[in-house]
Amino acid sequence: EDKVVQSPLSLVVHEGDTVTLNCSYEVTNFRSLLWYKQEKKAPTFLFMLTSSGIEKKSGRLSSILDKKELFSILNITATQTGDSAVYLCAAFEGGKLIFGQGTELSVKP
Amino acid sequence: SAVISQKPSRDICQRGTSLTIQCQVDSQVTMMFWYRQQPGQSLTLIATANQGSEATYESGFVIDKFPISRPNLTFSTLTVSNMSPEDSSIYLCSVHGTTDRGLEETQYFGPGTRLLVL
Repeated sequence: EDKVVQSPLSLVVHEGDTVTLNCSYEVTNFRSLLWYKQEKKAPTFLFMLTSSGIEKKSGRLSSILDKKELFSILNITATQTGDSAVYLCAAFEGGKLIFGQGTELSVKP
Repeated sequence: SAVISQKPSRDICQRGTSLTIQCQVDSQVTMMFWYRQQPGQSLTLIATANQGSEATYESGFVIDKFPISRPNLTFSTLTVSNMSPEDSSIYLCSVHGTTDRGLEETQYFGPGTRLLVL
């Protein structure tokens, strides 16, 4: 059965800390790995990763994929209270997304 | 990118009734997806709606409970039938798209419909 597992499930840090969120997957017909940020309702797209070892960056966020070990990480440096959200990773399998449970990140002032 | 709207944004319904959720996209798309997010849970795909054919349902979801319409390439509806409190969730419509950054392929989500069943 296809599955995506994230860890930790929740995380509390202070502003300025660096965090690493983990995502492992076992998916047949794997095409890509996506990261989303969900604050209230709709998840907003962060990154799509297709190739191993190529880091994608957007401001303080970065992500990388390891297709051999079947995992990805999302790094957030110099965290801010506005980074507080649930971070979802999802494996793009054929025509659909398989989501992990999410990591709830809380950044304290 | 795609702009997706959903109606209603939220509703409170009585047990045994049905609710139809509408999803409108600002461009023509082949496939539209319906997800459910139960309280404290991640997103689970309910079904894929293709224009001109029956929707494809994921394991654990059936057409009698979640009938879907797809009358054209920009619109779809999901009905939650004979509701029970266990159907209380956020229901999200989604479409494939490409981003502005190097044409990355992703899925865009509508704002969601928050449903509470009493």
